[in-house]
Amino acid sequence: KAGVTQTPRYLIKTRGQQVTLSCSPISGHRSVSWYQQTPGQGLQFLFEYFSETQRNKGNFPGRFSGRQFSNSRSEMNVSTLELGDSALYLCASSHLGLAGGPQEQFFGPGTRLTVL
Amino acid sequence: DQQVKQNSPSLSVQEGRISILNCDYTNSMFDYFLWYKKYPAEGPTFLISISSIKDKNEDGRFTVFLNKSAKHLSLHIVPSQPGDSAVYFCAASGGRDAGGTSYGKLTFGQGTILTVHP
Repeated sequence: KAGVTQTPRYLIKTRGQQVTLSCSPISGHRSVSWYQQTPGQGLQFLFEYFSETQRNKGNFPGRFSGRQFSNSRSEMNVSTLELGDSALYLCASSHLGLAGGPQEQFFGPGTRLTVL
Repeated sequence: DQQVKQNSPSLSVQEGRISILNCDYTNSMFDYFLWYKKYPAEGPTFLISISSIKDKNEDGRFTVFLNKSAKHLSLHIVPSQPGDSAVYFCAASGGRDAGGTSYGKLTFGQGTILTVHP
């Protein structure tokens, strides 16, 4: 099975611009989650999509948004970029079932966003 | 409010010896725990997990122990190899939606840098 893929791998933007990142989950996985990794804050949860619905959102401003398509592929968008948005953005997919079952998430390689 | 904590920023171990990485959590709603290995500029790689209904799970050289009363888990790597050198994150999840499906939200610790010396 192919793993989680993310595009693009690297991105350089300037303040005030917007950016869209893409994630293709492992085939059959319906849950896609997004995380931000920065040196100061570590790995932080952004949001989760399951069957095209956002189920959870982390403590990030409304400039961060996302969506999921019927094929489970997901995109996240950041508008009005700030310097502090420079980070590694990670997407993870999982085959979630009833609570108590396996909840492993498998990560993509990430998109390195640099905001100048 | 850090709900998952890894209090040791780094750990240095000799090849062939045991590596023990520790993690503490505060949220009683967490019911599933995972360990990931990560290299810089790459995504985390899943290592091993444990459900809250168990106290031990083993997979090859990796064993995870869970002490629910102490809200503590640990990862044992035996024997340690130089290729194990990386950052190790523990993560926790919990809760479910109205349909009973687990949420796909992981809360991570800050990570522990493991260095295994030849």
